[in-house]
Amino acid sequence: AQSVSQHNHHVILSEAASLELGCNYSYGGTVNLFWYVQYPGQHLQLLLKYFSGDPLVKGIKGFEAEFIKSKFSFNLRKPSVQWSDTAEYFCAVRPTGTYKYIFGTGTRLKVLA
Amino acid sequence: NAGVTQTPKFRVLKTGQSMTLLCAQDMNHEYMYWYRQDPGMGLRLIHYSVGEGTTAKGEVPDGYNVSRLKKQNFLLGLESAAPSQTSVYFCASSGQGTQPQHFGDGTRLSIL
Repeated sequence: AQSVSQHNHHVILSEAASLELGCNYSYGGTVNLFWYVQYPGQHLQLLLKYFSGDPLVKGIKGFEAEFIKSKFSFNLRKPSVQWSDTAEYFCAVRPTGTYKYIFGTGTRLKVLA
Repeated sequence: NAGVTQTPKFRVLKTGQSMTLLCAQDMNHEYMYWYRQDPGMGLRLIHYSVGEGTTAKGEVPDGYNVSRLKKQNFLLGLESAAPSQTSVYFCASSGQGTQPQHFGDGTRLSIL
């Protein structure tokens, strides 16, 4: 079955630390890839997306992600986190040509001021 | 600039009661989705729709029904609520092709 794995369930960092959140998916065909962020008490918002082309994708608020096809991975990175980045982050995959989005279980990030 | 609107935002039900959650989108999107979000389990797809008059089962459809009589609305019904359905419910919509999903603010539902 298709699935998305986010290995880090909880991450605690100090401000200015670098961030990398892992995302791996299991699907043999082509996919569209997404990272969403959910701030406390709010709905999910799109951080960035990958459909084709340059595997290094830049999103909002200084986030970026790299698609490594051979590893079925789409890891999220930020060079220097801020307290305001405290949120839950979800990786999602949509197999090309389908309507379904498959979400990972999420990673809760807490940034200490 | 409403986007995706969910009503109600909060609701408390007793076991066995029924209710309907409403999702409305003003972006003329073809696809609409209902998810539930539970701690440690991410978002799980309940039902989805690829167009007016069509619905399909997602990952966890049992105990829920849906209808899409109008393109802009997607209703989620609980016929006989159970405590296991206590959750936060999110509606989302997306356009065709490479469009990402847009989410509503969620409905926090508690079943006693």
